[in-house]
Amino acid sequence: EPEVTQTPSHQVTQMGQEVILRCVPISNHLYFYWYRQILGQKVEFLVSFYNNEISEKSEIFDDQFSVERPDGSNFTLKIRSTKLEDSAMYFCASIRGLGTGELFFGEGSRLTVL
Amino acid sequence: DAKTTQPTSMDCAEGRAANLPCNHSTISGNEYVYWYRQIHSQGPQYIIHGLKNNETNEMASLIITEDRKSSTLILPHATLRDTAVYYCIVRPRSGSGNTGKLIFGQGTTLQVKP
Repeated sequence: EPEVTQTPSHQVTQMGQEVILRCVPISNHLYFYWYRQILGQKVEFLVSFYNNEISEKSEIFDDQFSVERPDGSNFTLKIRSTKLEDSAMYFCASIRGLGTGELFFGEGSRLTVL
Repeated sequence: DAKTTQPTSMDCAEGRAANLPCNHSTISGNEYVYWYRQIHSQGPQYIIHGLKNNETNEMASLIITEDRKSSTLILPHATLRDTAVYYCIVRPRSGSGNTGKLIFGQGTTLQVKP
C-alpha cells in the first residue's frame, strides 16, 4: 500500500536554529499538507500546497515557516528560527484530488526544541 | 474550528461493538462526514466517510441519520488495537475555495478493555 514517508522521525534542536522537515508524498498525489500536534493537544492544520504554491495557511503558519517542493518527490517544511513552543509532532499529508478521497498522513516527525 | 461534537471518552469491552456518536447539526448539503483515528501519536488514519447513505468497509460502518445532523461510527468487534482517538470531521466536496484540508477537533478517546 502506498504511504507518505517523513524524515527525520525525531529531531532535537537548539532554540533559534533552523529546521527542515522532509516528506515524500504518495507519487500521484497533487495536494500536500502540513499539520502539527503539540503534546496532549489536537492536530492543527498549518498549510496546504498545490501546483507549487500555498493554497491556504493557518494563523500558526507565520513568517518563520515556509514550505517547498524542491523536486518532483519531496515536500519540505522549514522553520527558520525555532522557538520552544515549536516542539511538536509534525505530520505531512497528501491527497490525489479534491474529490471525496482520503487524506493520507505520514507517521510524523517529532521536533524537540531545547 | 471543528464543526462536530463528540464525547471526550468511551470504553468498550474487547469483542463487543464500539458505537461512537458524533453531532454535526450545522452540516451543509455539500459536506461529507469523515472518520479518522489516531493510535497513540501516530499519523491520523482514515476509516470511512459518507454523505447521506450508510457506508460499510472492512474497518467499520457509518450510520448517518436521515436529517444528517448526527452519525455513528461502528467498530463491529473491537480489539485492543482499536484503542485510539477517533475524530469525526465534516469536509466539503470539491469546489471553489476548497483546499481539501481537514479540521480536527478533540475527538473521542476509545479505550478497549480486555
